[in-house]
This record gives sequence, structure tokens and C-alpha cells, in this order.
Amino acid sequence: QSVLTQPPSVSAAPGQKVTISCSGSSSNIANNYVSWYQFPGTAPKLLIYENNKRPSGVPDRFSGSKSGTSATLGITGLQTGDEADYYCGTWDSSLSGVVFGGGTKLTVL
Amino acid sequence: EVQLVDSGGGLVQPGGSLRLSCAASGFPFTKYWMSWVRQAPGKGLEWLANIKQDGSEIDSVDSVKGRFTVFRDNTKNSLYLQMNNLRAEDTAVYYCARIGGASSAFDYWGHGTLVTVSA
Repeated sequence: QSVLTQPPSVSAAPGQKVTISCSGSSSNIANNYVSWYQFPGTAPKLLIYENNKRPSGVPDRFSGSKSGTSATLGITGLQTGDEADYYCGTWDSSLSGVVFGGGTKLTVL
Repeated sequence: EVQLVDSGGGLVQPGGSLRLSCAASGFPFTKYWMSWVRQAPGKGLEWLANIKQDGSEIDSVDSVKGRFTVFRDNTKNSLYLQMNNLRAEDTAVYYCARIGGASSAFDYWGHGTLVTVSA
């Protein structure tokens, strides 16, 4: 059972938009930065850090936001290459450690 | 180019030991916190430990304390995870990752190394 809650799967057609939610609590998301990761089968990739910042090289089709105890990853202009597992992560002040969501499998239909 | 190359995984019997290595290149290793994260088959990510630049501070998850030890050799630009008394539930792909800046985000990851604990 993951500390952060994500939907197990989401799907959308190529070119469409999808959002992936990440729900936590006051000990994690509400008071710490959230990051998002893509697990495509090769080396995992950081997509979003500090809630809404994109590392160099990450397309602006990927966006992040945070409000209260929840965070959201948005992906626009979906491509078949976006099919992957996506994870949110943050520090948990009560556990004194990093916590992740259970992951969301994105299918581009 | 930043590169993290995980190695050392394999098949080990319950109760056995294994040492994972992570060779870092393409960045000043001594300036970064490093981390280990694992993913069991069909499961989500589990953070294991963070280690400070000089190894003087380590944060780790309770489930591996006393069995797993993270350490680094800055002269070799390498990160290690010594795993003892392994259990079936430790079967997973183990990733080393670099922690980038104050946000604690893992900005670079290795490809992972598979550890299978089975008789």
C-alpha cells in the first residue's frame, strides 16, 4: 500500500490530453515538493520537480501542479511514445523518508 | 553526460548477502546526495536510502534498517548497497539515483539491477 494514491491506469487517444492525480496528506504533499517520474522500460526519467518545473529536455507537453494535499501531472498532445508508468514522489516529514505513489499506467489508444 | 551504471544483482538464496554497485560519471560525484530505490515485480517504487555527499548522513526506510547498508567511495565515484539476510520480499529491480538540488527529486537514474531471492 503506497503512501501516495494514484489511479492505476489512465488512457486517451493520440493528440489528446490526460491528467494523473497524486493524493497525499499534510505530512507529505502539502508541505514538500512533488516530483514526477516516467518509467518507460529504460532508465527512469524525471519529468517534473518542485511541483511544476521541467528539467531541460522535457517537452512542455508535460506539466505539473499542486494544490493542498494533491498534485497533478498533465500531458497534452499524447504520443504513442508516452505510454509508460508514471510515479509521483515527495518527502514525508512524519516518516522522514521519500514516498511514492503506486504508479499509473498510461495507455495511448 | 551523466551516467549511473548499476550492477551486482543476481540470484541469491534467502538469508544470503549481495552488494550492489553504482558507478557514476559525467558529474562531480562528491557534490551530490545519492539514493537507492527499488521496484518489486508488479509493484510500485520503494525508496530505500539517501546518503549525503561525504557519507556522513544517511536516511533509510525502516524496513531495511539493520539489514541493508548504503555507503559510497568518492575516490571511485561509486555508490554501494550492502544487503544482508535477504528475504524473498527483497526480490526487486534496484536503482541508484542522483538527488538533484534542494527539492530532493531524483534527477538521474541508473537502468537498474535485478535481485532475485529464491531457494
